Amino acid sequence: EVQLVESGGALVQRGGSLRLSCAASGFSFSRYAMSWVRQAPGKGLEWVSSIGVSGGSTYHADPVKGRFTISRDNSKNTLYLHMNSLRAEDTAVYFCARSVIPYGDYSYFYMDVWGKGTTVTVSS
Amino acid sequence: QSVLTQPPSVSAAPGQRVTISCSGHRSNIANNYVSWYQQLPRTAPKLLIYDNNKRPSGIPDRFSGSKSGTSATLGITGLQTGDEADYYCGTWDSSLSGWVFGGGTKLTVL
Repeated sequence: EVQLVESGGALVQRGGSLRLSCAASGFSFSRYAMSWVRQAPGKGLEWVSSIGVSGGSTYHADPVKGRFTISRDNSKNTLYLHMNSLRAEDTAVYFCARSVIPYGDYSYFYMDVWGKGTTVTVSS
Repeated sequence: QSVLTQPPSVSAAPGQRVTISCSGHRSNIANNYVSWYQQLPRTAPKLLIYDNNKRPSGIPDRFSGSKSGTSATLGITGLQTGDEADYYCGTWDSSLSGWVFGGGTKLTVL
């Protein structure tokens, strides 16, 4: 069974740091791009970051650029999100999602498998 | 404010048909493929449509997608109470070099 399980969410103070993990199983992790998407309480989905199959290409949304870093360890089938300088507006459920980029062409990009999410709460 | 524009809510009776629109720009919808996601209450999103109009295995043909220019549409026929959920469109934005979602549409089946 294809599965993504996020962990690492916690209550953290403003300005603090956190590392989220996403453990993948049931598929060849190293053959897929991966993404993080978040959802603030009562709000819609917001894309955070994506990473290519080897980790050589990464993309981050403007609100997190310079503060968050996406990475992966293909030997451990694990995706990470390193979060620094956390703000109250980073409070959200963070989902990891398997990302399909046929032919390496981002115009075809979509997310086909999602984890259940992990909750990050930033207190002020 | 989201880069892609969706109506906040739509509603229809069981058995009827509903459409959800998603409006964007040349840098996103017009030049890239659109996907749609369903989020049932208190659950993770689920892929409904990819490549504008393709359904993953297991998604019933009551769900359909289309695209024209800078807009995309999700159609749902034979509405069921179990279809009550939030629906999101999404696509790559070539100018932003990032993914963009619509603001989401809450479907109510009356």
